[in-house]
Amino acid sequence: QLQLQESGPGNVKSSETLSLTCTVSGGSLSSGTYYWGWIRQSPGKGLEWIGNIFYSGSTTFNPSLKSRVTMSVDTSKNQFSLKLSSVTAADTAVYYCARQGLGVLNFFDYWGQGTPVTVSS
Amino acid sequence: QSVLTQPPSVSGSPGQRVTISCTGSHSNFGANYDVHWYQQLPGTAPKLLIYNDVNRPSGVPARFSGSRSGTSASLAISGLQAEDEADYYCQSYDINLGRVFGAGTKVTVL
Repeated sequence: QLQLQESGPGNVKSSETLSLTCTVSGGSLSSGTYYWGWIRQSPGKGLEWIGNIFYSGSTTFNPSLKSRVTMSVDTSKNQFSLKLSSVTAADTAVYYCARQGLGVLNFFDYWGQGTPVTVSS
Repeated sequence: QSVLTQPPSVSGSPGQRVTISCTGSHSNFGANYDVHWYQQLPGTAPKLLIYNDVNRPSGVPARFSGSRSGTSASLAISGLQAEDEADYYCQSYDINLGRVFGAGTKVTVL
C-alpha cells in the first residue's frame, strides 16, 4: 500500500522560506508513471494546487505561486521536496503531498495526512 | 475565486438524493478535460471519490456517481447517509492554470 508522509517545520517566520519533504513508501517515486504534487489548504478554505514534479525533475507550477516555488526530487531516498520563498501569513495552511497520474489520469489518488504550517511575524 | 464553481453547501435527509454541481468553462471542461471528485471528512486528507467523470475507485460505495456535460459536472449521492457528511471538491485541468479545484461544497445530513 502506497503511503506518503510530509515532514518539516510547523512554524516559519514571515519573509523566510518554507521547506517541506514528502517521503514515499510502499512504491517507487521513480516508476515514471506518476507526477508527485503538493496541494495546500488554508484554514477554513478550499484546496489549492501548488505544483507537480516528475521523477526526472521536470516541474509544473501554479502560475500564481510560480515565482516563489521550487521543487526537487531525491529518488535515492524516495523523497520529493517543496520550497516556498518569501512567505507571508497568507501561506499559513495545511500542506499535503499527493500522487497524480499522467495524461487523462490527472487525479490525485494517494495523499499524505498533511502537515500544518503557520507563518508568523 | 475558483475557476470551478461549486455551491457552498447542500443538505438532505438520510436516504435522500443530493447533487453537487461544478461549473467550469471553455478552458477546462469545455476543452474536454475530465472532472474528478474528492471527499474530505473533518480533520482528514481528501480522498479520491470519482475519477474521469464517472469512475469509482475500489471501495467507494455505488451510491456515489458522477457525470459531466458541456462545461458542467455533477456529483450525486443517492441514499444519503450520516457518514457522508463532509466537504466535497471537484478538480480538473485548466489550459491556463494547470490543476484546479473547486472551492468545495459542505454536505450536511439533516
